[in-house]
Amino acid sequence: LAKTTQPISMDSYEGQEVNITCSHNNIATNDYITWYQQFPSQGPRFIIQGYKTKVTNEVASLFIPADRKSSTLSLPRVSLSDTAVYYCLVGDGKNRDDKIIFGKGTRLHILP
Amino acid sequence: EPEVTQTPSHQVTQMGQEVILRCVPISNHLYFYWYRQILGQKVEFLVSFYNNEISEKSEIFDDQFSVERPDGSNFTLKIRSTKLEDSAMYFCASSLLAGNYEQYFGPGTRLTVT
Repeated sequence: LAKTTQPISMDSYEGQEVNITCSHNNIATNDYITWYQQFPSQGPRFIIQGYKTKVTNEVASLFIPADRKSSTLSLPRVSLSDTAVYYCLVGDGKNRDDKIIFGKGTRLHILP
Repeated sequence: EPEVTQTPSHQVTQMGQEVILRCVPISNHLYFYWYRQILGQKVEFLVSFYNNEISEKSEIFDDQFSVERPDGSNFTLKIRSTKLEDSAMYFCASSLLAGNYEQYFGPGTRLTVT
C-alpha cells in the first residue's frame, strides 16, 4: 500500500458538506483509492473506491484529480451519525493476499 | 443485504484459557480475514485465509493463534492460551475477490482477558 497522509481530526456541523482530503504522492499506476468508515465500537465499513475523476454512490463522492496524488472524500449534508473515523487506502492489491493496513485515519466529529 | 456476523459479541476469559471466536462470512465470499483493534489503537491485520489455508499472517499471529473453516459457513479464530495483551476487539472480514480492498467486516467480538 502506498503511504497516505490525511488530517488527524475534523469537526463540522450537521447539514454541512464535509470534504476529507488524502495525499498519496507515491501512488502507482495500478493503484486504486479506497475509503473506509469506522463507527465507535464497530468494524470498518467499505464506503467507496475509485481510480480517477469522480465516483459517487449513495454514501459519498470521491474526487480524484488528474495527477491522482490526492483524493477527496465528500460527505453531503452530514448528520450526527456520520461521526466516525475515515480511512484512506491506496494500493493495487494485485497480490492474492490483500490485507488492509489501516492508518490512524481522520476522526470526524459532527456537531449539532 | 448480506453481512458478516460474529459471536459472541463479548467474551471475558481468564489469562491462560483458550478462546474461540466465531464468524460467519458472507456466503459467496472466498477470502477471509481476522483483524484486531486494541482500545484506542489502529486496526491491525492478523491473518488471511483462502482455499482452506492461511495465505498470510502478521507477526501478531504467533503459535498461540490458529484459524479454521470447519464447515462451509463458519470461520473461527482460536487463541490457545490467552494473555492480558490479547484484550481487544477482534473483527472478521470477508471478500469475494482478492486484490481490490473491498472487504466486509463483522461487528466484532470484544475479548477481555483478566
